[in-house]
Amino acid sequence: DTGVSQNPRHKITKRGQNVTFRCDPISEHNRLYWYRQTLGQGPEFLTYFQNEAQLEKSRLLSDRFSAERPKGSFSTLEIQRTEQGDSAMYLCASSLWVRPGHPNTEAFFGQGTRLTVV
Amino acid sequence: SQELEQSPQSLIVQEGKNLTINCTSSKTLYGLYWYKQKYGEGLIFLMMLQKGGEEKSHEKITAKLDEKKQQSSLHITASQPSHAGIYLCGAYAGGTSYGKLTFGQGTILTVHP
Repeated sequence: DTGVSQNPRHKITKRGQNVTFRCDPISEHNRLYWYRQTLGQGPEFLTYFQNEAQLEKSRLLSDRFSAERPKGSFSTLEIQRTEQGDSAMYLCASSLWVRPGHPNTEAFFGQGTRLTVV
Repeated sequence: SQELEQSPQSLIVQEGKNLTINCTSSKTLYGLYWYKQKYGEGLIFLMMLQKGGEEKSHEKITAKLDEKKQQSSLHITASQPSHAGIYLCGAYAGGTSYGKLTFGQGTILTVHP
């Protein structure tokens, strides 16, 4: 296990189609995060999981977006009825959360999935 | 909400020169991450700082979190073309949202041989 893995690396889809991305975190990491990054900007938080529980969702995550982490391991991010504004790099990260007050651990990112909606 | 401002937005230096990138937060920083990103790729973890006054170094890159914990700086000594890329600072708001990071807009570094 060498890091966070995301698939596919690139996805081109037609407007209105559904797409699904997958993220495999570092195996011992219990937290998994999804971010979106558009050109020239830093990543923006979308949602995160602790084990299988989705603990927080950003207002950026519209109803067309859904994320799951069914067994607390890999996660999927689905976008329904894609729009051109969804074109972006979708980044996944993972980290190990121990307990409240425990020092934070590093968050490691995957290579991202670049989505182009045409 | 927390906002991070990076300066400069872009930087062009000659190989061998030193440089500094700053990251200023609108709120107290409970933790500050520095990442490097090549265009079109994911983020590479560089360093994490948690305590005011903390300073960490890795190879020719040094990062520091100021004691008032609202600013961090990243310093590269004797820059090389391999240092080129986008440098991003990310901060977490504390509480239970560890790992939920707010990022600056990035600093684009170009190093000319």
